[in-house]
Amino acid sequence: NAGVTQTPKFQVLKTGQSMTLQCAQDMNHNSMYWYRQDPGMGLRLIYYSASEGTTDKGEVPNGYNVSRLNKREFSLRLESAAPSQTSVYFCASSGTDRSTQYFGPGTRLTVL
Amino acid sequence: KQEVTQIPAALSVPEGENLVLNCSFTDSAIYNLQWFRQDPGKGLTSLLLIQSSQREQTSGRLNASLDKSSGRSTLYIAASQPGDSATYLCAQAGNDYKLSFGAGTTVTVRA
Repeated sequence: NAGVTQTPKFQVLKTGQSMTLQCAQDMNHNSMYWYRQDPGMGLRLIYYSASEGTTDKGEVPNGYNVSRLNKREFSLRLESAAPSQTSVYFCASSGTDRSTQYFGPGTRLTVL
Repeated sequence: KQEVTQIPAALSVPEGENLVLNCSFTDSAIYNLQWFRQDPGKGLTSLLLIQSSQREQTSGRLNASLDKSSGRSTLYIAASQPGDSATYLCAQAGNDYKLSFGAGTTVTVRA
């Protein structure tokens, strides 16, 4: 049982480049989330998807877009990367909102 | 806005000592409180979830309590082991769908 998987594990971008972070879960969960984690800070929610076809902004959505491709997959896109987006990005899923969340291993992104 | 605070930021104890980790939250409209463990370079692993109607939850050597009136949750880890060394994060779920996370307490258990 893979749980929540994320690709890539590491990525280095130059300012202005774009990329998509991929996330998939095999637990048949309805809700999926994207967070970023910066040193000394808790996780901050970027975007949330309650179910296939729906997305909502979280605390720090600026500079990001998301797609809930199907029930399993939830991608995060950086259209024009900025150094302020250097962070560790985590995807998570849960059966319903506010229930136990299961996290992927993270993507470590550096923007130069 | 929900704010979650974890003090201290770091803690070092000798093996066998009981660990007490604190979490404070400001939103009295709490839905549940979740505790997670994060190992270096890894994702988060859920440890315990306490519903707002509960006072505590237990799993093995772990016990988490919830006091809504004081806005506090405490995670107790009995008889600590070097394998318990990690960062522990608490998160509050409020009336909306969001989890608000604390910055975590990094624990080192010395052999």
